Amino acid sequence: EPEVTQTPSHQVTQMGQEVILRCVPISNHLYFYWYRQILGQKVEFLVSFYNNEISEKSEIFDDQFSVERPDGSNFTLKIRSTKLEDSAMYFCASSPGINSPLHFGNGTRLTVT
Amino acid sequence: SQQGEEDPQALSIQEGENATMNCSYKTSINNLQWYRQNSGRGLVHLILIRSNEREKHSGRLRVTLDTSKKSSSLLITASRAADTASYFCATLDYGQNFVFGPGTRLSVLP
Repeated sequence: EPEVTQTPSHQVTQMGQEVILRCVPISNHLYFYWYRQILGQKVEFLVSFYNNEISEKSEIFDDQFSVERPDGSNFTLKIRSTKLEDSAMYFCASSPGINSPLHFGNGTRLTVT
Repeated sequence: SQQGEEDPQALSIQEGENATMNCSYKTSINNLQWYRQNSGRGLVHLILIRSNEREKHSGRLRVTLDTSKKSSSLLITASRAADTASYFCATLDYGQNFVFGPGTRLSVLP
C-alpha cells in the first residue's frame, strides 16, 4: 500500500538556524498538509496546499514558515529561523480529495537547542 | 475554538473490556473521521462516518454520529493490549481543513 514518507526522522538544530523538512506524498493525491504536535499535545494544523499553492494556513504558520512542491513529488516545509518553541513532531499528510481521509507520514521530530 | 473535543482525555481498561470514546464538534459537517496514533508515530485513519449516517462498523470498531447533538462516539469492543494508543476525531473547520481534538489516550492492560 502506498504511503507518505518523511525525512529525516529526527532533526536537531540550533536556535536561529534554517531547517527543511521533506515529505513525499502519495503520488495520485491532490491535497497536502503539514501538521505539528508538541510532545503529548494536540495535533495542530499548519498549512494546506492544493494546485501548487497554499489553500489555508493557521496562525502558527507565520512568515518564518514556507512550503514548496519543487518537483511534483516532494513537498517541503521550511522554517527560516528556528525558535526553541518550534521543537515538535511535524507530520506531513496527503489526501485524494477535500473530504477524504488523510494519510500521514511518521513525522520528523524537530529539536531546537 | 476547538472543533473536535474528545473525552475522556485518558482511559485505562483491562484487556477484553470495551472502550468508548466521545467527540463533540461545533460546526455542520460533511463527515467525521477517527484516527489512531501509536506513540511517536503518525496518525492512521480508522473510520469515516458521513453526516447522513448514524452508525458504522469496521471490525471491532463501532462509530455513532448524532448530528443534532454534534457528537460522535467510538467503541472498541473486546479490547487488546495492541489497541493501546491515542484516538482522535477530526472534522473540517470553516477553512475546509481537518482539525483534530486533543485526543483520548487509551491504555489496555493485559
